[in-house]
Amino acid sequence: DGGITQSPKYLFRKEGQNVTLSCEQNLNHDAMYWYRQDPGQGLRLIYYSQIVNDFQKGDIAEGYSVSREKKESFPLTVTSAQKNPTAFYLCASTAPLTGPGYTFGSGTRLTVV
Amino acid sequence: QKEVEQNSGPLSVPEGAIASLNCTYSDRGSQSFFWYRQYSGKSPELIMFIYSNGDKEDGRFTAQLNKASQYVSLLIRDSQPSDSATYLCAVNWNTGFQKLVFGTGTRLLVSP
Repeated sequence: DGGITQSPKYLFRKEGQNVTLSCEQNLNHDAMYWYRQDPGQGLRLIYYSQIVNDFQKGDIAEGYSVSREKKESFPLTVTSAQKNPTAFYLCASTAPLTGPGYTFGSGTRLTVV
Repeated sequence: QKEVEQNSGPLSVPEGAIASLNCTYSDRGSQSFFWYRQYSGKSPELIMFIYSNGDKEDGRFTAQLNKASQYVSLLIRDSQPSDSATYLCAVNWNTGFQKLVFGTGTRLLVSP
């Protein structure tokens, strides 16, 4: 079945450490997104990519980086510059011809220890 | 700054009642509107979308859109305990490309 796979499900980061969250989709979707969700909060956009080798900053890009070298993959790196990284991270994808709205992955819960 | 506002709740309704969830947005130039359901610890799942003014029904769910008043609502008829979740409203202001802005969500509790 087609879908979006996020890994790992849980991730623990030490202070000053960079970590990378994986997002892979086999839906042949062009656009991919990373959102962050804090407890009791809505989703805030970190980065998005409309096509391969192109991506744009969202509302809260500071301390994060991404790459889009393949259509299927959109990894997110949480750098040491992100001072409050503990959150639930959601990857999503969409394609204009396959219907409205996003398909979400199952999420990665990142905790700083 | 485009914003989407929701009452955080919780909204408590008894089983079998109608639950009414509301959402307002800041800019009239919006294109499409979405309702997602999110269970605790899980990712959001799309339950309804609407583009045009008026009502759109899908099973027990009805989405209502009023662009002049800048609000969109979700009605859940015959509410079930399994409907207990957080409901996120999302708005897309782009044409030809989706980039959703989400509200903070309304928590719904349906009591047996």
